[in-house]
Amino acid sequence: QVTVKESGPVLVKPTETLTLTCTVSGFSLRDSGMGVSWIRQPPGKALEWLAHIFSNDDHSYTPSLKNRLSISRDTSKSQVVLSLTNVDPVDTATYVCARIWKSGSSWDFHYVMDVWGQGTAVTVSS
Amino acid sequence: DIQMTQSPSSLSASVGDRVTITCRASPSIGSHLSWFQQNPGKAPKLLIYGGSTLQSGVPPRFSGSGSRTHFTLTIDGLQPDDFSTYYCLQTSSLPGTFGQGTRVEI
Repeated sequence: QVTVKESGPVLVKPTETLTLTCTVSGFSLRDSGMGVSWIRQPPGKALEWLAHIFSNDDHSYTPSLKNRLSISRDTSKSQVVLSLTNVDPVDTATYVCARIWKSGSSWDFHYVMDVWGQGTAVTVSS
Repeated sequence: DIQMTQSPSSLSASVGDRVTITCRASPSIGSHLSWFQQNPGKAPKLLIYGGSTLQSGVPPRFSGSGSRTHFTLTIDGLQPDDFSTYYCLQTSSLPGTFGQGTRVEI
């Protein structure tokens, strides 16, 4: 069974760094075309893609947060870690990780985001 | 950056209705579009990817169509479990971009 699960702090103070961990099982972060994305959802608002990382270490960040985000993976622990620096109350949200993988051939493929965690609610407040 | 415009933001419907939700992309995204369903307090559930490919286990009353800049999600014969919020997602250019969501309510 493929699962992903988020972990991290519930409460973070403004200006601190938020560090979240996504632990995966049922697949390997080394598998070709496999990756993990981080998404967040402020209360009552829409989903926002934050970052992703693939098995070949290809990764990128949403432009509006590029200077504050960092993503890395530890294949031995089956974990993907996301850091967001200098947090502000507007960063209060549920943070979710999801498996993303390439379906199809190398020249004709689609990304599939099929397995999601339940999310972890983070509040930024002093 | 690729912008996704989803409409309507909400709609009212009844059990048995046919419902259509639209996403427009700028610029073109080919067929790199997915649809998700999200219930309150729950993680999104993948319904469709590649514009029209039904995810395994998703009822066939859900269908997706479109390409390039105009996409639709159709629910044919709305069921009680379908009253939910739906999001589109473009993955033509990563990082992806979600639409603003459509709430389907009674």
